[in-house]
Amino acid sequence: SSELTQDPAVSVALGQTVRITCQGDSLRSYYASWYQQKPGQAPVLVIYGKNNRPSGIPDRFSGSSSGNTASLTITGAQAEDEADYYCNSRDSSGNHLHWVFGGGTKLTVL
Amino acid sequence: QLQLQESGPGLVKPSETLSLTCTVSGGSISSSSYYWGWIRQPPGKGLEWIGSIYYSGSTYYNPSLKSRVTISVDTSKNQFSLKLSSVTAADTAVYYCARLQLEWLLSYYYMDVWGKGTTVTVSS
Repeated sequence: SSELTQDPAVSVALGQTVRITCQGDSLRSYYASWYQQKPGQAPVLVIYGKNNRPSGIPDRFSGSSSGNTASLTITGAQAEDEADYYCNSRDSSGNHLHWVFGGGTKLTVL
Repeated sequence: QLQLQESGPGLVKPSETLSLTCTVSGGSISSSSYYWGWIRQPPGKGLEWIGSIYYSGSTYYNPSLKSRVTISVDTSKNQFSLKLSSVTAADTAVYYCARLQLEWLLSYYYMDVWGKGTTVTVSS
């Protein structure tokens, strides 16, 4: 099965821009989706598809993709954006509807 | 507004079978647009997809868990369920159920609605 690789931790100064990346072979075939998870809470979808935000997600969150790498960008990070972020995609190995998550990135807002 | 709620025992003994149910409210589990899935998160660790089911009963399982996992659906109750057999301490985790969106034409696949999660501890 495929794997998705994320940096374990990233930090950003308040109000600055940060990019969180996700690498994996499945991203050459399928778009990543991104989830924000705060302590003790369920994950929340923040980006899906080419660059789509569910209702209620601030427009400072955006997504992009190139080759085997997907990126989540937060433009003007806020204190409330401090959280764990996970990428996810359909697994491209084999003709099965399997899913794979990245290991997660802990975002610290300084 | 669609809501998902996990339910089941919070404590399971080693070697026994973990059983959880996800109740879907505010929408029909029989919609042709979605799969329904289980995801878990061990303490302090990341998310792991366990498996998914379509309302027709078609299933997909994580290869690493396939030999121990069974997911089923009860459309009359708007529920789907997870059974994980022969559990060990490594199966201690928060278990989430989620709705899986599949937009085939756009190759968009994502999990847009999640339950709050339920903690399952495997211990004697």
